[in-house]
Amino acid sequence: GAVVSQHPSRVICKSGTSVKIECRSLDFQATTMFWYRQFPKQSLMLMATSNEGSKATYEQGVEKDKFLINHASLTLSTLTVTSAHPEDSSFYICSARAQGGNSPLHFGNGTRLTVT
Amino acid sequence: QKEVEQDPGPLSVPEGAIVSLNCTYSNSAFQYFMWYRQYSRKGPELLMYTYSSGNKEDGRFTAQVDKSSKYISLFIRDSQPSDSATYLCAMTGGNEKLTFGTGTRLTIIP
Repeated sequence: GAVVSQHPSRVICKSGTSVKIECRSLDFQATTMFWYRQFPKQSLMLMATSNEGSKATYEQGVEKDKFLINHASLTLSTLTVTSAHPEDSSFYICSARAQGGNSPLHFGNGTRLTVT
Repeated sequence: QKEVEQDPGPLSVPEGAIVSLNCTYSNSAFQYFMWYRQYSRKGPELLMYTYSSGNKEDGRFTAQVDKSSKYISLFIRDSQPSDSATYLCAMTGGNEKLTFGTGTRLTIIP
């Protein structure tokens, strides 16, 4: 099956620093990847759609200058949380489709970010 | 009103019981329906993927879609403690973005 790998699984950083999260599709190419955020006991909130070779599309209310997305290849998308603050502490999950159109999303195992 | 409604639970059932999880939705454009299982501190894992109305079975899992009622279900037979997780329904009309339910926390009691 389609495998999406996300790294790191857990990161603790100090307020004001930046953190980069990587999302890789291991056995397929993904022209589009999606970044979600999940608060405890809540569902997934779509933050942005990452498009290979072009700018990401951000959802309303998501600061594009704070959450930098780069999709430089067909198997790698990165999310950088810049100048992190404690309120950015959350569970970040990436996903991708193994095929185009309406095939289901496959998710990475998430990154738990704690900003102290 | 949310586009997708899902009872958050928690739902506790004894081992071996049949579990029924449900979602209702309001957007008649939804055509593709998914169920994901999410263990604590892990990403969602795809369980079932169905298109339009009908039933789909995979092992102990059965997904049902009733588009006329805008209602989807996931049944788990012979439930096991390892089925304890949060179950998320998700759906899309074909624009690539998924709309998720809030998730149902399920506990199977040994």
